[in-house]
Amino acid sequence: NAGVTQTPKFRILKIGQSMTLQCTQDMNHNYMYWYRQDPGMGLKLIYYSVGAGITDKGEVPNGYNVSRSTTEDFPLRLELAAPSQTSVYFCASSSAGFWFFGPGTRLTVL
Amino acid sequence: AQSVTQPDIHITVSEGASLELRCNYSYGATPYLFWYVQSPGQGLQLLLKYFSGDTLVQGIKGFEAEFKRSQSSFNLRKPSVHWSDAAEYFCAVGAVDDYKLSFGAGTTVTVRA
Repeated sequence: NAGVTQTPKFRILKIGQSMTLQCTQDMNHNYMYWYRQDPGMGLKLIYYSVGAGITDKGEVPNGYNVSRSTTEDFPLRLELAAPSQTSVYFCASSSAGFWFFGPGTRLTVL
Repeated sequence: AQSVTQPDIHITVSEGASLELRCNYSYGATPYLFWYVQSPGQGLQLLLKYFSGDTLVQGIKGFEAEFKRSQSSFNLRKPSVHWSDAAEYFCAVGAVDDYKLSFGAGTTVTVRA
């Protein structure tokens, strides 16, 4: 039981490039989330999903897209990367009031 | 919508001294309340949580927190701090009828010898 896994751990992007952050959970949770963490700001919700095929925007969705084709996977897509997207990204899943977080992806956009 | 305020950005405490981190939340109904700890470069570790029942909650690493509905607070305490407690601490609130977790901005704890 690996919990929530994220890849990659680190990535450097150039402005305008695109990439996908991968997130997988093996707990059969319906609810999954993407957060970004910036210094002094805590974690902000980007997108979330309440089940396969259903996604919705969080607080800071601009510049990102998600999809949820299976219960296990919840990838986050960055199109046209910008320096403002430099952050640490956490994926999470939840069930019955318990949240489980992945180890994070540190992304730098230069 | 729920929100969380952690009034203290940074706290410095001597090893062996007590620690209290403040957390105030805004939510209309009974919230789920959490404290997480994050060491530098690491992910989030759950310290403790409150759903209902006893308002004094015990967690891991010797931490406890008290839910005070009248003050909309969920402060975290530890009687005697160890150098390994130096980290960033986040309070979070979740809704009973919603599934999104909202975080405070965090409090950085420095432990001096």
